[in-house]
Amino acid sequence: DTEVTQTPKHLVMGMTNKKSLKCEQHMGHRAMYWYKQKAKKPPELMFVYSYEKLSINESVPSRFSPECPNSSLLNLHLHALQPEDSALYLCASSQTRTYEQYFGPGTRLTVT
Amino acid sequence: GQQLNQSPQSMFIQEGEDVSMNCTSSSIFNTWLWYKQDPGEGPVLLIALYKAGELTSNGRLTAQFGITRKDSFLNISASIPSDVGIYFCAGQPFNTDKLIFGTGTRLQVFP
Repeated sequence: DTEVTQTPKHLVMGMTNKKSLKCEQHMGHRAMYWYKQKAKKPPELMFVYSYEKLSINESVPSRFSPECPNSSLLNLHLHALQPEDSALYLCASSQTRTYEQYFGPGTRLTVT
Repeated sequence: GQQLNQSPQSMFIQEGEDVSMNCTSSSIFNTWLWYKQDPGEGPVLLIALYKAGELTSNGRLTAQFGITRKDSFLNISASIPSDVGIYFCAGQPFNTDKLIFGTGTRLQVFP
């Protein structure tokens, strides 16, 4: 089983809202990732967690706040977003940092 | 961020034809991965390559890890309509968590 699940599938939020994206995997993977993908572009790495510790932050604005409560869960907390933050947000996981990554179906975020 | 050179950018082919696409880089990679992405969905891993020169198949798909570690190609034989989508290569440099993605190849298959 190589399934990564993400909720919600779609999210529309105003610029003053606070919302969270959720990602879950039960493959025993110890590395988890958040990516942002704009239309017709490849995914762009945002954050990497390894063994529940943040190991990479790709200079992401503080209005995006990641959290890894345990080895199976990854959250992305959103606050005061801008319309240009509208995109497909993808979660991925891998056995460890140097193994192949498996992606979830994504959350389509629209900021109004 | 850094991206790999992936070509062609798009392909329009007839059902039953074979397809070939490739990725090149000026840097060497430890791992090459090939993904397919349908609209509004996440990328699905097709093939993972770990050794220079490695040739790996997954059904009608065949991918190779270039001997110089700087390139990879993906072939699809006897294309079918469900092969439509965007194909991304991704390379992982040594000793890093990051995947470097190619710019994508958009494949259209006509009956």
